[in-house]
Formats: sequence, C-alpha cells, structure tokens
Amino acid sequence: DGGITQSPKYLFRKEGQNVTLSCEQNLNHDAMYWYRQDPGQGLRLIYYSQIVNDFQKGDIAEGYSVSREKKESFPLTVTSAQKNPTAFYLCASSYTGAYQPQHFGDGTRLSIL
Amino acid sequence: GQQLNQSPQSMFIQEGEDVSMNCTSSSIFNTWLWYKQDPGEGPVLLIALYKAGELTSNGRLTAQFGITRKDSFLNISASIPSDVGIYFCAGQGHSGGGADGLTFGKGTHLIIQP
Repeated sequence: DGGITQSPKYLFRKEGQNVTLSCEQNLNHDAMYWYRQDPGQGLRLIYYSQIVNDFQKGDIAEGYSVSREKKESFPLTVTSAQKNPTAFYLCASSYTGAYQPQHFGDGTRLSIL
Repeated sequence: GQQLNQSPQSMFIQEGEDVSMNCTSSSIFNTWLWYKQDPGEGPVLLIALYKAGELTSNGRLTAQFGITRKDSFLNISASIPSDVGIYFCAGQGHSGGGADGLTFGKGTHLIIQP
C-alpha cells in the first residue's frame, strides 16, 4: 500500500546526544515536511523540502537538521542544540503545485532519558 | 509566524448532536484544510478548500472557505462515537505553489457522551 512510514514509533534520547528520525514515502510525492507537536498544541513546521537536494527552514528549525538525498526519504536529526526535544514529530508529503494537500505519517514520539 | 485562532478548544456533546467549529486568521490563506487526529496517530485529511466562498461536503462533514480568505468553519452533523478526536484547521500560504508548510490551529477536542 502507498503511504508514509515513520520510524521508530518511540525514541529516547540521552542528554547531549543526536538522534535521527526516519521518514519514507512511496507516494511519488516531490515535497516532504517535518512538524513538531507539543501536548495540547497544533503542529509547527520545522523543515520542508520541495525537491531532492534542496530544503528550507520552517518556523522552528533551530536545533534540527535534515537531508534530502532521495525523493522517497527525508530524515530529521534532532541535535544536542535542541534543548527541549520532547515532542511528537510528524512527517508529511505532497505533490507540488497548487491544490495539493499534505498527507501525514503516524509520528515518532521522542522523549529524554 | 502566522497564527490561526481555532475555537472552541473543546466540546462535550451528546451522540446525535450537530457540531460546529471554526478558525480565523489575521492573514489570508490560499488553501484551508481540516484534519482529524486520533491519539498517537498522524492527522488525517477530512476536507480541503481551495476557493473563497467554497462550501464542500464529505459525508456528514461540511466545511466552508470564508469569503475574506481569513476564516473557515467545519460542521459535523448527527455525531457518532467514532467522531471523537482532535480536529485541526490548517492554512496554506501565499505562493500558490502548493509546497509550502501549513499553519495549524491549536485544535478542537471533541468528546461525545453516549
């Protein structure tokens, strides 16, 4: 089935450690996105990419990094510079062009040990 | 960044009742989207709105894109237990390119009492 796969479902990070969240899609979408969700809050945009080897910062990019080496994959690294990384992370993808809604994976919950 | 004001924050209703929620913004959006999120899962797209004044239905759901492009509402008729969840509005930006990030409201938590 076509869809967006995020892994792992749960992730724990030690202080000072970088961790990488995986997002893979087989929908042939050009654009991919990362959002952060805190309890009782809406989603906030971290990074997005409209094409391979190119990406843009969203509203809360500090402490995060991404790469887009393949169309299907858009991994997110939460670096040690992100001082409050505990959150639910959601990946989305869409076609580019007008009138193309974003579809979401099932998320990764990151916690600090 | 841009802000979307979504209300109400939560709703406690009886099964079979109609539900209405809305979002307003100080900025214009080209697209309004409504999503539903269940606990521990990603949001699922319910309705997408692309033209000012557009009224769109999806089963028991009806949503409208405000004529000013700064607001939208979602109605659910004859609520059933599986409607429980958090509903988010989201606006998409100004370039019309369709690949900009979304701006989300904080969600409406719908709770249905049997």
